[in-house]
Parts: sequence; structure tokens; C-alpha cells
Amino acid sequence: GDSVTQMEGPVTLSEEAFLTINCTYTATGYPSLFWYVQYPGEGLQLLLKATKADDKGSNKGFEATYRKETTSFHLEKGSVQVSDSAVYFCALSDRGDYKLSFGAGTTVTVRA
Amino acid sequence: GAVVSQHPSWVICKSGTSVKIECRSLDFQATTMFWYRQFPKQSLMLMATSNEGSKATYEQGVEKDKFLINHASLTLSTLTVTSAHPEDSSFYICSALTSGNTDTQYFGPGTRLTVL
Repeated sequence: GDSVTQMEGPVTLSEEAFLTINCTYTATGYPSLFWYVQYPGEGLQLLLKATKADDKGSNKGFEATYRKETTSFHLEKGSVQVSDSAVYFCALSDRGDYKLSFGAGTTVTVRA
Repeated sequence: GAVVSQHPSWVICKSGTSVKIECRSLDFQATTMFWYRQFPKQSLMLMATSNEGSKATYEQGVEKDKFLINHASLTLSTLTVTSAHPEDSSFYICSALTSGNTDTQYFGPGTRLTVL
């Protein structure tokens, strides 16, 4: 079945540091890949997505590239801010039924 | 745009009672909505797919008679936890799929259920 493996946290960084959260997946078809973010006390928000190999999703300074050869979709940001403190979820949607399979989530804390 | 609301945001109930949670798409129509459950510091687990005008589809291991889902209109789906017990305490989250050929889900803020 489909699955998503995500880098375990928690991750603690200083402001302006570089952030990478690793995400790899297993899927039978050609999934769409997503990063969702959950800020404290809020619901999940779509951060970015990519629907086919070599696509790069980007938003709010975050980027992730769909790598079919390594089945990966790593999230990166070059210079984090305190406001980026949140839980980040990698997810995939396969089979055409739009059901999402989520990774375990990575808690990121950015210190001033 | 693409806002999803949930009501209530939190609820405390006694064991054995039933609790209804509403999920609404505020500015778009959603033929499909999803219900998830999230345990503390864990990921989201898909419970069921709610389709407007038809029966919900439940994931393996989810009791359909315990978690009743009704999707009566294109903007409203409800989840009723029947005869709730302490082990049902959790964070319940819905999402809505925009109509058309798109695979982006928009999530509600979640409902915290505590069963005493």
C-alpha cells in the first residue's frame, strides 16, 4: 500500500538557518505529493504540492522537488523565521480517489 | 477562498452519549469530504470518505455504526460519534475536496472531543 516516511523530529533551529525535512514515499502509481503545515492551534494548511516527476512546488520560501528516481519530496527553506515554527506533514494522493496518506509529521521550532 | 469550518471546535461529553460534529465548506461546493482522526503528536488517520447524496466509505478498521457520517448537501457533512467512550477522545478533522479535476483538500480547524 501507499506510505510516506518522514524525518523524525523535533527539529530546533535558530532564525535564518537552513531547514530540510526529508520525505520519501512508496506508491503503486504516480502520486501527487504534498506538504501541509499545521501552526499551533490551527488546522492543516496546504503549503505546496507537485503532481508529476521533476515538478517543483514552492510557497512562502519553501520548496520541494518531486524526485521519482529516489521517490522523495524533501522540503527546504533557506532562511527560517520564528513564524515558521509548526508541524510539517508530507503526504501523497494516489489511485485517483484523492485520499491522502500522511507521514508522521515533523515538529519544527525556530528560536529567535 | 476555500475555507472549511468545523463546529464545535471542542466538546466534552459523558461516556455513552452521542456527539455530532459539523464540517462546512464556506465558499465552495464539495461533493467529497474526508474525516480524519489525529492522536496527540501523531499523524492523521483517514477514517472515511463522505460523498454528497450517497453512503460514506469507511477505511478498514473504522466502525461505521459508531462513526455515522451524513453528507446531506454540497456544503455540509456531519460526523456523529455514537455511544462515545473515553477511547474515542481525539482530535477529529475534516477536509473538503473542491469540485472539478483537482486533488487539493482544504482542511477544517478540527474538533477536540473529550469523553469523560
